[in-house]
Amino acid sequence: QKEVEQDPGPLSVPEGAIVSLNCTYSNSAFQYFMWYRQYSRKGPELLMYTYSSGNKEDGRFTAQVDKSSKYISLFIRDSQPSDSATYLCAPHRGGSRLTFGEGTQLTVNP
Amino acid sequence: EAGVAQSPRYKIIEKRQSVAFWCNPISGHATLYWYQQILGQGPKLLIQFQNNGVVDDSQLPKDRFSAERLKGVDSTLKIQPAKLEDSAVYLCASSVTGVGTEAFFGQGTRLTVV
Repeated sequence: QKEVEQDPGPLSVPEGAIVSLNCTYSNSAFQYFMWYRQYSRKGPELLMYTYSSGNKEDGRFTAQVDKSSKYISLFIRDSQPSDSATYLCAPHRGGSRLTFGEGTQLTVNP
Repeated sequence: EAGVAQSPRYKIIEKRQSVAFWCNPISGHATLYWYQQILGQGPKLLIQFQNNGVVDDSQLPKDRFSAERLKGVDSTLKIQPAKLEDSAVYLCASSVTGVGTEAFFGQGTRLTVV
């Protein structure tokens, strides 16, 4: 079983749609839950992260962690064509390696 | 603030040849990572340095891959001999420390082994 599972998509939505991206993980020691965004032919860049369970909001983006079910979500409201990218979840224990999911490729159509 | 610099951007080699990649992290970042990203997959950590010491190289294929970090700053990753399955993007990243802090990634080196 992979430590982190993520639906690779691809996911295609119209502009303005609400997007839900999800990951599951198996290691209960994970404490930090990162979301990276990767544009084509670029390196990943940190979008946001949460520590332990709960929600965190940053503009149009909301990250949600449910440690009891080992489920991580990223919601994008009012999606824009500029949001078209691959989104990678990356939980870790702190001081240890990031374990990336496969990434979900998102396309937002104008 | 300058980002993580990597070179070359692209490299095509034949199998069994050797290749080296170079990384210059963000100034002041003690932790440096090398990741391998195969097409359609997430990045996989190959090696993590803290200053010039190795913290984690458990996923580095040591029979063919080697890495060093010179004076705790620049780093090189070498593959010798290369195999077809080494075709991937090699990403270098750095962070202030390795504990729950943001890792900044370079643009990567795209390696094609033919």
